[in-house]
Amino acid sequence: KAGVTQTPRYLIKTRGQQVTLSCSPISGHRSVSWYQQTPGQGLQFLFEYFSETQRNKGNFPGRFSGRQFSNSRSEMNVSTLELGDSALYLCASSLAHNNQETQYFGPGTRLLVL
Amino acid sequence: AQSVAQPEDQVNVAEGNPLTVKCTYSVSGNPYLFWYVQYPNRGLQFLLKYITGDNLVKGSYGFEAEFNKSQTSFHLKKPSALVSDSALYFCAVRDMANAGNMLTFGGGTRLMVKP
Repeated sequence: KAGVTQTPRYLIKTRGQQVTLSCSPISGHRSVSWYQQTPGQGLQFLFEYFSETQRNKGNFPGRFSGRQFSNSRSEMNVSTLELGDSALYLCASSLAHNNQETQYFGPGTRLLVL
Repeated sequence: AQSVAQPEDQVNVAEGNPLTVKCTYSVSGNPYLFWYVQYPNRGLQFLLKYITGDNLVKGSYGFEAEFNKSQTSFHLKKPSALVSDSALYFCAVRDMANAGNMLTFGGGTRLMVKP
């Protein structure tokens, strides 16, 4: 099976712009979660989607949003970008919305905000 | 609230020697525990998890971890380190009482294996 794929892999934006990142989960996986990784804050949970519904949300401002499509693919959007949004954004998929499930991570999208 | 501590930013070990990467956790209920490894410019790769049952969990690439409820620890171990094990290791926890897939990660431990 193909793993989790994320596009684009690298992105450069300027402050105030918005960005959309895409994630395709492992075939058959229906839950998609997003995490932000920065040197200062480490790995932080953004949100989880299952069956096109947001099931869980981390402590991030409303500028961060996401959605999931009927084929389980997910997108996350960051509006009005700030310098501090520069990070590696990781998507993870799992079979179901179940706390015993293993999450499998994609390679990430590295976002640089100038 | 759940939290994870990885007390060592870096662990240095010689190739062939045993390695241990430490992890302690805090949850209000019972924990589900995970270890992931991250190589440069890559995402996280799953190594192993503890859900229930035997306290010694075996995972990928010869790694294992021991769940110790009284010490709230889940240390990662390998009997004989390889240079290729050099990477960033993350411990993560979910509280069994919370539904869903949200993981809380520790700050990571950089493992350096020297030839």
